[in-house]
Amino acid sequence: EVQLVQSGAEVKKPGESLRISCKVSGYSFTSYWINWVRQMPGKGLEWMGRTDPRASYTDYSPSFQGHVTISTDKSISTAYLQWSSLKPSDTAMYYCARHGGQNPTPDYWGQGTLVTVSS
Amino acid sequence: EIVMTQSPATLSVSRGERATLSCRVSQSVSSNLAWYQQKPGQPPRLLIYGASTRATGVPARFSGSGSGTEFTLTISSLQSEDFAVYYCQQYNNWFTFGQGTHLEIK
Repeated sequence: EVQLVQSGAEVKKPGESLRISCKVSGYSFTSYWINWVRQMPGKGLEWMGRTDPRASYTDYSPSFQGHVTISTDKSISTAYLQWSSLKPSDTAMYYCARHGGQNPTPDYWGQGTLVTVSS
Repeated sequence: EIVMTQSPATLSVSRGERATLSCRVSQSVSSNLAWYQQKPGQPPRLLIYGASTRATGVPARFSGSGSGTEFTLTISSLQSEDFAVYYCQQYNNWFTFGQGTHLEIK
């Protein structure tokens, strides 16, 4: 069974750093891209960026380039999304989702990680 | 930048009736268009990709049509579990989502 399991909710202060994770199982980690999608409270979905674990290639939406970093650890089939300095506007639900192979757009999604940034 | 515009923002429909949701794209994306359903507290669920291909396990009452810049999601006979927010998404050039249509019970 394909699963993407994300790390738990986080409460952080402005200026702090954070890394959240997405551990996959049930398929070959290097066979599919991993995407990250933001959903701010009560708002729609925003694609942030994606990574190809096989090629260690990553690209970002222009709206998020330079604000977040996407990385992977193939040895533990895990993708990461990290911030070096959080802002209150980073408060949102963050989803990871895979795409690739026969699936040109994200098909399986993680359950989401809620990040709250508040002083 | 590709801009996705969904209409209407909110659609009120009775159970058993047909719902038609629209998505307009600022430039042609060919058939590289997907539809997602999202219920409160859940991640999005892929319904349609390639503009008209149902994802695995999606009921036949969901159908998609269109190409280029104009797309439609039709739900032929609304069931209780269909009331949710629906997003279109293009994947012709990276990924971009529409702002969503909230489908509510009339």
